[in-house]
Amino acid sequence: EAGVAQSPRYKIIEKRQSVAFWCNPISGHATLYWYQQILGQGPKLLIQFQNNGVVDDSQLPKDRFSAERLKGVDSTLKIQPAKLEDSAVYLCASSSQTDTYEQYFGPGTRLTVT
Amino acid sequence: AQSVTQLGSHVSVSEGALVLLRCNYSSSVPPYLFWYVQYPNQGLQLLLKYTSAATLVKGINGFEAEFKKSETSFHLTKPSAHMSDAAEYFCAVSAFTGRRALTFGSGTRLQVQP
Repeated sequence: EAGVAQSPRYKIIEKRQSVAFWCNPISGHATLYWYQQILGQGPKLLIQFQNNGVVDDSQLPKDRFSAERLKGVDSTLKIQPAKLEDSAVYLCASSSQTDTYEQYFGPGTRLTVT
Repeated sequence: AQSVTQLGSHVSVSEGALVLLRCNYSSSVPPYLFWYVQYPNQGLQLLLKYTSAATLVKGINGFEAEFKKSETSFHLTKPSAHMSDAAEYFCAVSAFTGRRALTFGSGTRLQVQP
């Protein structure tokens, strides 16, 4: 089966610009996660969706970050305006309803803010 | 609340030597525990998981981990290191009930010397 797809793989922007990342989870997976991984650290959850509803966005900086999951499939994460400290790898993961503890990760999008 | 501590941000072993990567967790509810591996410029791949069945868990690529409740530990081991094991390893915890998102440790970079 196809894995979690993410695009773009790399993005370089200047501070105060906006950027969007796209994620396509494994077919049929109801739960989708966005994680932020800053260099030298473990991934940190930004937002969790169950189908197209938000389960947890307590760690999402809502003044600049937004995310949506239309029709319970693909998801988009947006940053507007970007700050230098947003430089990180943004990982998308998905899990099925039959095995909610096993998350499958995409390759990530590496964002550099200059 | 949950947290994970990985002792040693860098571990270096010789090829053929024992690999031991340490992980201690803190959780107010029974935890599920995971080890993930991350190769350069790739997403995370699940090595193994503990979900309250056997305390000794075997994973892929010859890795195993033992859940020790009394020590709140979940250390990762492999009897004989291979050059291909060089990567970043992350320990993670998830709650037994409710929210399924992972809380990750800061990672341990494993170097394998020839």
